[in-house]
Amino acid sequence: KQEVTQIPAALSVPEGENLVLNCSFTDSAIYNLQWFRQDPGKGLTSLLLIQSSQREQTSGRLNASLDKSSGRSTLYIAASQPGDSATYLCAAADNYGQNFVFGPGTRLSVLP
Amino acid sequence: ETGVTQTPRHLVMGMTNKKSLKCEQHLGHNAMYWYKQSAKKPLELMFVYNFKEQTENNSVPSRFSPECPNSSHLFLHLHTLQPEDSALYLCASSQVQRGGLFNEQFFGPGTRLTVL
Repeated sequence: KQEVTQIPAALSVPEGENLVLNCSFTDSAIYNLQWFRQDPGKGLTSLLLIQSSQREQTSGRLNASLDKSSGRSTLYIAASQPGDSATYLCAAADNYGQNFVFGPGTRLSVLP
Repeated sequence: ETGVTQTPRHLVMGMTNKKSLKCEQHLGHNAMYWYKQSAKKPLELMFVYNFKEQTENNSVPSRFSPECPNSSHLFLHLHTLQPEDSALYLCASSQVQRGGLFNEQFFGPGTRLTVL
């Protein structure tokens, strides 16, 4: 059974710093991996989707990498801003992408 | 706005009540999902509908009953719930490609459910 973990559980950084969020999964037979952000009491916003055949995806200040063999994905946020403060979730999908298993999330605070 | 709407946004119900959650997607997708997000637990997949057919049921108690009348609408019917069912219930949708491969998921804002 797939298990997804995220480290750290919480992170607080000053504005402008570059940072890395980590996601690990136990079963490397994933179809894709998706990163989301969630603001308090809100739904999830999709950030990046990496297919199993890809190594990384980029969108603006965000870059996500995937290493299936080691069961890891990282989300790199460049030049962090207070508006980046949220909980970041990763989800590994198997079974043709139908079944997502979510990690517990990393709560990020970017201080002005 | 992600193109996925959910109503109501907040719901308080007693253990003997019957209520329904509604989800609607305006993205032209053909797969829809229900998730449960409890405090201090990871998001849990409850049900998956692919072309209106239920293809996944992650051992969800029968007091939760999903309904998918068409590819744009999804309901979650609730009856005789327990206080531990209090959570944020999230709906999502995605597009299924030919060959059965699923694209990325888009989420609604959720319904905050409190069971007294």
